[in-house]
Amino acid sequence: GEDVEQSLFLSVREGDSSVINCTYTDSSSTYLYWYKQEPGAGLQLLTYIFSNMDMKQDQRLTVLLNKKDKHLSLRIADTQTGDSAIYFCAESRIDSGGYQKVTFGTGTKLQVIP
Amino acid sequence: DAGVTQSPTHLIKTRGQHVTLRCSPISGHKSVSWYQQVLGQGPQFIFQYYEKEERGRGNFPDRFSARQFPNYSSELNVNALLLGDSALYLCASSLGLDGEYFGPGTRLTVL
Repeated sequence: GEDVEQSLFLSVREGDSSVINCTYTDSSSTYLYWYKQEPGAGLQLLTYIFSNMDMKQDQRLTVLLNKKDKHLSLRIADTQTGDSAIYFCAESRIDSGGYQKVTFGTGTKLQVIP
Repeated sequence: DAGVTQSPTHLIKTRGQHVTLRCSPISGHKSVSWYQQVLGQGPQFIFQYYEKEERGRGNFPDRFSARQFPNYSSELNVNALLLGDSALYLCASSLGLDGEYFGPGTRLTVL
């Protein structure tokens, strides 16, 4: 079965780097995603990585994928107070019936201390 | 360009009633997905539609149904509402598998 787990909370000081971790169980995942959700808002796609990649960098964001350990991380460099939000990882796979299924983690609340 | 739009923004229903939620995808996006997000949890996948056909289904009862129209907009229908159906219902559209763009959601409260 599919399961995506994240730690619930992370607190960092402004200017430091944040690392948010995620583990997933389904080895047939095709794409993995990071989304950001601010209070009272919908989800914002931050970045994604294809399952045959190890790393992807996009400005302040770096995604690392360890497929062997089924571990995904999101590093935010020079964390700002505007980065305070809940961060969700999600994995996409095609099931045995040929249907796409997307599974989200429980979310990590990032608190940035000025 | 307009993002994903959803209507209504808020809705209050009583147990046993039926509800229809609506979604308009980003122009050019042919895929629409629906998610249920209960407070404090991650979104749970309900359905995905592509070119008017169901392409994905999560673990939800048959009380939940959806459809996609020729203009790629979509409706989510929930019959025989239960208290546990109270949640934020999110619609997302996409071009492919490289990520979805979410609307602001419809907050459903079942009394």
